[in-house]
Amino acid sequence: DAGITQSPRHKVTETGTPVTLRCHQTENHRYMYWYRQDPGHGLRLIHYSYGVKDTDKGEVSDGYSVSRSKTEDFLLTLESATSSQTSVYFCAIMGGQSTDTQYFGPGTRLTVL
Amino acid sequence: AQSVTQPDIHITVSEGASLELRCNYSYGATPYLFWYVQSPGQGLQLLLKYFSGDTLVQGIKGFEAEFKRSQSSFNLRKPSVHWSDAAEYFCAVLNSGYSTLTFGKGTMLLVSP
Repeated sequence: DAGITQSPRHKVTETGTPVTLRCHQTENHRYMYWYRQDPGHGLRLIHYSYGVKDTDKGEVSDGYSVSRSKTEDFLLTLESATSSQTSVYFCAIMGGQSTDTQYFGPGTRLTVL
Repeated sequence: AQSVTQPDIHITVSEGASLELRCNYSYGATPYLFWYVQSPGQGLQLLLKYFSGDTLVQGIKGFEAEFKRSQSSFNLRKPSVHWSDAAEYFCAVLNSGYSTLTFGKGTMLLVSP
């Protein structure tokens, strides 16, 4: 295991409510990523972080924000959830001895009603 | 922009038969390529990766992949499929800069008895 946990693992929420997903790593890796997975689309990058307080947008960042106040935690916030954000969200980390390989967390299944 | 194409959405293979999953990429420089596998309800597990050197790379679970620059391909193979190989398989290319991944849309492998 790459020492990545995601919480919650499952969440059901209503349209318009804010939602925060947490990714926690015990590996002290510099790089962290958030992807979403949807049928027929594979995985698409939402945001990524290359250090504490250093983040940038990915391919599908609209409606999402992130924060990284310490190395081990990378938070993804849906500021006002919409049904189109129903998805499975994966966090990934990279660094250490495998500086060019990403390792993935178990995922969070989010349903927006 | 870099892209990854997995032409087959679904493939069905008989148990014990050989398997080849196709992956084509578009990338300007020498690519770093990956294959991940995802079992139902699980996260992504790294099968193998290609960075440089020998174009035939070995991975876990008896999988191998061959990098062919002339064909812009990185096809995944296994000589004899087991029922436990039924899963979704993703090919990905590492992007320069902050090492984000671009994924293909995935190939679902079904194994028939």
